[in-house]
Amino acid sequence: QQKVQQSPESLSVPEGGMASFNCTSSDRNFQYFWWYRQHSGEGPKALMSIFSDGDKKEGRFTAHLNKASLHVSLHIRDSQPSDSALYFCAASEPTDKVVFGTGTRLQVSP
Amino acid sequence: DTTVKQNPRYKLARVGKPVNLICSQTMNHDTMYWYQKKPNQAPKLLLFYYDKILNREADTFEKFQSSRPNNSFCSLYIGSAGLEYSAMYLCARGGGFNQDTQYFGPGTRLLVL
Repeated sequence: QQKVQQSPESLSVPEGGMASFNCTSSDRNFQYFWWYRQHSGEGPKALMSIFSDGDKKEGRFTAHLNKASLHVSLHIRDSQPSDSALYFCAASEPTDKVVFGTGTRLQVSP
Repeated sequence: DTTVKQNPRYKLARVGKPVNLICSQTMNHDTMYWYQKKPNQAPKLLLFYYDKILNREADTFEKFQSSRPNNSFCSLYIGSAGLEYSAMYLCARGGGFNQDTQYFGPGTRLLVL
């Protein structure tokens, strides 16, 4: 069973719109969470990390973590065509390797 | 991340032939990772190094080998490629323990025919 599950599988938003991604883990030992983004032909790049419950905002990106419900989300406001990419959620226990989700593909249309 | 480089970017291999992929990093980080990424699947951890100690995942233990002669360099070796090895192979430095973020190279796309 996939320990990190993402939804939706794909997402299409208009330019300037809000894109929202969800991630749920099945392992209560996960303490650290990341969002990565992968453009076509490139490797994944870390967007944000979030380790404490609540919101974390960096520019147009906001992540939210609720450890009690094992849920983390990412929201992109004012989406741009350059945001079109594959978005991965990743999680880890304090002394273990990172586990990735299968990703959500975002398409932002001009 | 420009501090992690992978060569080649694209590799065409024949079934049954060996494949050697190269990764280098400029940050001299202790940890380096190799992942296999197939379409619609999560990146799958194959193995990682902490300094010179190699850790291989149980389900890929016999399929992949690696060497790390120094902290800047790491290879991934497939002794006899099968069709199922066709994938993107991603190398990363850092991460995996505590709050350390991973930084990935651009990947090598391997096609086995």
